[in-house]
Order: sequence, then C-alpha cells, then structure tokens
Amino acid sequence: AQSVAQPEDQVNVAEGNPLTVKCTYSVSGNPYLFWYVQYPNRGLQFLLKYITGDNLVKGSYGFEAEFNKSQTSFHLKKPSALVSDSALYFCAVRDRASGTYKYIFGTGTRLKVLA
Amino acid sequence: GAVVSQHPSRVICKSGTSVKIECRSLDFQATTMFWYRQFPKQSLMLMATSNEGSKATYEQGVEKDKFLINHASLTLSTLTVTSAHPEDSSFYICSAAGFSGANVLTFGAGSRLTVL
Repeated sequence: AQSVAQPEDQVNVAEGNPLTVKCTYSVSGNPYLFWYVQYPNRGLQFLLKYITGDNLVKGSYGFEAEFNKSQTSFHLKKPSALVSDSALYFCAVRDRASGTYKYIFGTGTRLKVLA
Repeated sequence: GAVVSQHPSRVICKSGTSVKIECRSLDFQATTMFWYRQFPKQSLMLMATSNEGSKATYEQGVEKDKFLINHASLTLSTLTVTSAHPEDSSFYICSAAGFSGANVLTFGAGSRLTVL
C-alpha cells in the first residue's frame, strides 16, 4: 500500500533561519510527489512537485524539495524562513496504481516561524 | 492558472436540514473531482471521487446516502450533506484534476459547515 509519513506535527524555526519539513513515502514504482500549503480556513495551495528529472525541485515562494530515492524522502526546504511561511504543510503522493489523480496525504506539519 | 471555486465558504444550518456545496473549475474542464473532509488539526480525509457523468466512488466508511455527490458537467461537482447533524460539522474541501499536463490537483478554498 502507498503511504506518506510526516514525522513532525510541528516545526518551529526563527525567522531568517533555514527550515526543513520532513516527508517520507512508500510507493510501488516511481512516485509522483507533491507539497501543498494550507493557511487557516483555506484550501490547499500547490507548492511544488516531483515527477521525474532533477532530484532538486524548486517551487513557489522560495521553497524547494529534494527527492531522495534511496531514503524514500522528499523533504521540503527553504534557505531563509519568513513569518508569513507559518502554515500547515502537506506532503502527498499520487496513487498511480489507481490510474486516477487520487492523492494520499501525509498528516501535515504545522510550521511556525518566530519573529 | 487553474482555479477552482468552492461555494459557500461558510454555512450554518439547523440539524435535519440539507446543505449543498458547489465546486466549480473556472478555466478548465475537470474530468475528476475529489471531496475531502478535514477535522481540526488533522489531515484531509478523502470522501469520494467524482467523475463527470458517472456515479461517484466513495471511500470506505463514507455514507453515500448521507453525502450525495453529483458531477453533472465538466466544470461542476456538488456535495449535498443530507439531514445534517452536528457531527457533520467540518471543513469540506474539493479538488479538481484535468488541468492539462499539470499532473496537479487544484483545490477549492474549502467550505466550513456548522450544524446547530
């Protein structure tokens, strides 16, 4: 079965410091991996995706993520955090076996950037 | 870019009434739409997959007679919570697939349902 794990419920980081939000996955075959961000009482906004190609993927708002096949990880990173980055972050894998756009989401990590 | 409009954003209703939530893809045709439920401080729970012109596919444990889904056109899917009860209070989010080549789901802004 395909799954996604986000081991941290919350990550705190000081403004200006680098941030990392962790994600590991378990899939059969090559994964389609995604990161989404959710602000309070809002839907999810797409940040970035890995489908194929370069392992380092750059996305919106200065975020990037590195696909590591050997460690089955897809950690989200940003070199310098902003207070406005504080939100709920979801990692997701597309269930390719279903032949649809069905996603499997992690449990989410709340990022808090402290001024 | 792709935009999905979800309406209403907030709704309060009395117990026993039905509530309809609409999800529209504004600038693309959504062959598939998904409905999720999100509890406070929790992840998204997929409720059902909605394909245009066919019956929705419900996830295990989701009552199809309780949560009626209709995907009548390539740009509109609706979720009707029938005979709502306080335990149905939640944040409901839709997403749409079909934005050509993007391989990405586009999400609506969500609808907060409060049943009194």
